[in-house]
Amino acid sequence: DTAVSQTPKYLVTQMGNDKSIKCEQNLGHDTMYWYKQDSKKFLKIMFSYNNKELIINETVPNRFSPKSPDKAHLNLHINSLELGDSAVYFCASRRDREGPNTEAFFGQGTRLTVV
Amino acid sequence: AQSVTQLGSHVSVSEGALVLLRCNYSSSVPPYLFWYVQYPNQGLQLLLKYTSAATLVKGINGFEAEFKKSETSFHLTKPSAHMSDAAEYFCAVSESSWGKFQFGAGTQVVVTP
Repeated sequence: DTAVSQTPKYLVTQMGNDKSIKCEQNLGHDTMYWYKQDSKKFLKIMFSYNNKELIINETVPNRFSPKSPDKAHLNLHINSLELGDSAVYFCASRRDREGPNTEAFFGQGTRLTVV
Repeated sequence: AQSVTQLGSHVSVSEGALVLLRCNYSSSVPPYLFWYVQYPNQGLQLLLKYTSAATLVKGINGFEAEFKKSETSFHLTKPSAHMSDAAEYFCAVSESSWGKFQFGAGTQVVVTP
């Protein structure tokens, strides 16, 4: 059973298009994240949701819109894709009731290539 | 804000040699520290985490890390490198139960025969 699953794994699209990435976790966690990993492997937080509420929005262009229909899902919609959006996007989840030293579980990533 | 700094973006070790990856943290409160590993084309997997129960933390795959408050460090070691240890390693700090994980820049480990 996959704990945190993302779809699609690969996404190639043209500039200006709109695309979505889906994430689901079956761990019963309360907090979910989106991270962006650039070509130098640097990981940057984009969004965090806790119990379906947006907690963190880290200076992300408003072309990016997360949506959490329920605690188990956090999707990422991107409008008007740009070349600079090319990256690997990771979804992660975490149980927050056990204290701050609980780890996050990551999905396999979605490699987005904008051409 | 809490942060971590990884010294060395690239480490090359011989198979069987010691692996040492350095991580220093910046925090005004007790930090919650983690080491993750990323194998090629995969997501991040937890190696170990500091829980304050012990300063020497043992993780998976023979890795361990030592928390040193006086040096604000949480270095990762493995006594004997294996070819399968070739990967990207990330040190991370967490701010709160639902807060973000702040990652270091990562260290790529290359293992040579």
